[in-house]
Amino acid sequence: NIVLTQSPATLSVTPGESVSLSCRASQSISTSIHWYQQKSNESPRLLIKYASQSISGIPSRFSGSGSGTDFTLSINRVESEDFSIYYCQQSYSSLLTFGSGTKLEIK
Amino acid sequence: QVQLKESGPGLVQPSQTLSLTCTVSGFSLTSYNVHWVRQPPGKGLEWMGVIWSGGNTDYNSALKPRLSISRDTSKSQVFLTMNSLQTEDTGIYYCNRNGHSWGQGTLVTVSS
Repeated sequence: NIVLTQSPATLSVTPGESVSLSCRASQSISTSIHWYQQKSNESPRLLIKYASQSISGIPSRFSGSGSGTDFTLSINRVESEDFSIYYCQQSYSSLLTFGSGTKLEIK
Repeated sequence: QVQLKESGPGLVQPSQTLSLTCTVSGFSLTSYNVHWVRQPPGKGLEWMGVIWSGGNTDYNSALKPRLSISRDTSKSQVFLTMNSLQTEDTGIYYCNRNGHSWGQGTLVTVSS
């Protein structure tokens, strides 16, 4: 199985700061990585597909980059509604896997 | 409008079998893949398995011995069956369409 390692586990930031969240794959997965946001007591929401492709209705401050084994989700000027947990997921293998998540919290 | 809704028993006894239904609307099961994902209380997301648009299935290796996913295209329903449930199977179970659209989730508690 492909293992995804997200870092850091927790990121404490002040609203208005820009941040980068990391996801590293245990083998090369091209650009088959997707990013989700999950707020407390809600279903996950797809933010970015295939490493950098935007999703309709998602604010433009969210962007993704990377290929191979290293991927980044960037949030430009974090807003209060962005404090939640972020997961990456790979679909390179037909056996999908999620990372363990990064919690974005208010400093 | 694409919608998915999970349903099933909220409480299952240890060693028993879990049966969940994902009822979809706004799309055809023969055109889109449907995945099951679960989340134990306070923990992360775990991909369980998928039924592909063509009807084939794939499962999380750790769950494969006791997991089955099937569908009834005429009723727009996808079914999850998992046997030998233990307390660690407690959590919220979600179905989703290729990650883009998710159900609200259904809480399953394994307890006697």
